Amino acid sequence: GQNIDQPTEMTATEGAIVQINCTYQTSGFNGLFWYQQHAGEAPTFLSYNVLDGLEEKGRFSSFLSRSKGYSYLLLKELQMKDSASYLCAVNDYKLSFGAGTTVTVRA
Amino acid sequence: GAVVSQHPSRVICKSGTSVKIECRSLDFQATTMFWYRQFPKKSLMLMATSNEGSKATYEQGVEKDKFLINHASLTLSTLTVTSAHPEDSSFYICSANSMEGLAGAYEQYFGPGTRLTVT
Repeated sequence: GQNIDQPTEMTATEGAIVQINCTYQTSGFNGLFWYQQHAGEAPTFLSYNVLDGLEEKGRFSSFLSRSKGYSYLLLKELQMKDSASYLCAVNDYKLSFGAGTTVTVRA
Repeated sequence: GAVVSQHPSRVICKSGTSVKIECRSLDFQATTMFWYRQFPKKSLMLMATSNEGSKATYEQGVEKDKFLINHASLTLSTLTVTSAHPEDSSFYICSANSMEGLAGAYEQYFGPGTRLTVT
């Protein structure tokens, strides 16, 4: 089976940096996705990693270590609109999602 | 970019009735679509994989006779919740594979979701 773990909740201050960790144990691996989901809405794509290393995309960066089964999503210069749930998902020809990390940004 | 729509966005039905939810890829063809359900503050759970022109593949524990999936064309998949009960109330989300994303064939684009409430 698939086992994907991420923290349940994180709180940070506007303008700060937050790092959301994700560890996984899956039967197969064809890449790892990070999605953002606001309450009552569908997930929106943030990043994709298939090779080890850091992918930077504006204020968001994502890191992957396949040997460690580990990824993180880094959110910089936090804004109030970044308050949302962040989902780590491993692709093995279908997506398996972690439970999501709810990030609350405070003024 | 690739856009996926769902209809309806919200539906309230009485216990025992059936509800059909449509998922459309608007500007691309999707040979594979996925159906998920999500309970409040929980993650997405894959229900089934829908392949155009063939039977859907259901995940363990999902009743195929209760959740009927039809993928009649490359742009449309439907999920019918038959004889709905209050415990079927949930947020149902579809997604479709597109070759256009960064991840190529592996990237999924999600529809906006359908909130089903069974009274």
